Amino acid sequence: DAGITQSPRHKVTETGTPVTLRCHQTENHRYMYWYRQDPGHGLRLIHYSYGVKDTDKGEVSDGYSVSRSKTEDFLLTLESATSSQTSVYFCAISEESLLAFFGQGTRLTVV
Amino acid sequence: ELKVEQNPLFLSMQEGKNYTIYCNYSTTSDRLYWYRQDPGKSLESLFVLLSNGAVKQEGRLMASLDTKARLSTLHITAAVHDLSATYFCAVGGMDSNYQLIWGAGTKLIIKP
Repeated sequence: DAGITQSPRHKVTETGTPVTLRCHQTENHRYMYWYRQDPGHGLRLIHYSYGVKDTDKGEVSDGYSVSRSKTEDFLLTLESATSSQTSVYFCAISEESLLAFFGQGTRLTVV
Repeated sequence: ELKVEQNPLFLSMQEGKNYTIYCNYSTTSDRLYWYRQDPGKSLESLFVLLSNGAVKQEGRLMASLDTKARLSTLHITAAVHDLSATYFCAVGGMDSNYQLIWGAGTKLIIKP
């Protein structure tokens, strides 16, 4: 298995609170991605990174920010969580081939 | 804008039968991927298809790519229950700025 660790694996938080999800890789891959997965929507890209401090928005970036200060870590922050952000979040990594390896996912519930 | 469409979105079939999942995409692309996801689990890569006419096979699954038609197929031969999962195709490359664009997924249920 590709060395990708997401933390936490499960989280319940209250509306309006900030939340940070962490993705850690040991593969030294250049690209890192955050996706959310919701029934009926498949995988939707939130943000991605193509290097340290190089990030860009995906199709559903509103309400999310990211940071990548080291190659191995990619953080996703919900500045003020809303119920619509209840979802399963996946981190993925890849090289130029774009073959993505996924983390185990984080199930986030905003109540 | 690159868009990816899969069909069917849901498929229930009997063991031993053959069936095909289709993945259409809207613009030229460097490469196409097939992934599998079991309920509550992460995504597992199955195939990477890089050129027109590419065919990859693993067990009862065979994937092919027709870049002129912008179509990939995932064919299941003599289905068995263990193949029950959701299958996703994803397309990407330089033209999509290194983003993978995903199909909505095909939920496959294989009944004994």
